[in-house]
Amino acid sequence: DAKTTQPPSMDCAEGRAANLPCNHSTISGNEYVYWYRQIHSQGPQYIIHGLKNNETNEMASLIITEDRKSSTLILPHATLRDTAVYYCIVRVKAAGNKLTFGGGTRVLVKP
Amino acid sequence: NAGVMQNPRHLVRRRGQEARLRCSPMKGHSHVYWYRQLPEEGLKFMVYLQKENIIDESGMPKERFSAEFPKEGPSILRIQQVVRGDSAAYFCASQTPETYEQYFGPGTRLTVT
Repeated sequence: DAKTTQPPSMDCAEGRAANLPCNHSTISGNEYVYWYRQIHSQGPQYIIHGLKNNETNEMASLIITEDRKSSTLILPHATLRDTAVYYCIVRVKAAGNKLTFGGGTRVLVKP
Repeated sequence: NAGVMQNPRHLVRRRGQEARLRCSPMKGHSHVYWYRQLPEEGLKFMVYLQKENIIDESGMPKERFSAEFPKEGPSILRIQQVVRGDSAAYFCASQTPETYEQYFGPGTRLTVT
């Protein structure tokens, strides 16, 4: 699986959009970009994933650049409960493909 | 629709005892992964199982650790003769059969005294 690079931490104001960048310059054509988050030692929570098109669900939006070398997770209106470590992971979408967690981005949402 | 269930949530064992961690996947999921998170570290893959089969155990320590996922019942991660270094949070995840997302349980926090 390709490696990813994320900033170690970032702050965000409550109610504002949080934009979390991720670089994955060695991503392969069949690898998807997945985002998970872990809120204070809870089990990681699946957020969203995409291949090349932008994706949106009830939690977040995922913007993938045209060359697929980077992506941005957008939390449109951050709340205090969004404080967590966010992980960007690239992997082939197939049975048996484990998730490889890097350091992630520690996001602190401030009032 | 119940999520992934793990029990116990907290487990305290003395050095040398055995620890058994259980994971019940989401309904309809037959693939289970186990991950370990040491204090202040990221999650690390341990083992991937399907019903009655271990598919990938490349992340399992060579000794004292074993896993199973029987035809009936939960997946079990077993740690024999626990040592203090086994103290960690152990998470299991089950995988959707069509889209391959993994959904995690709340974890079992093992403390070895």
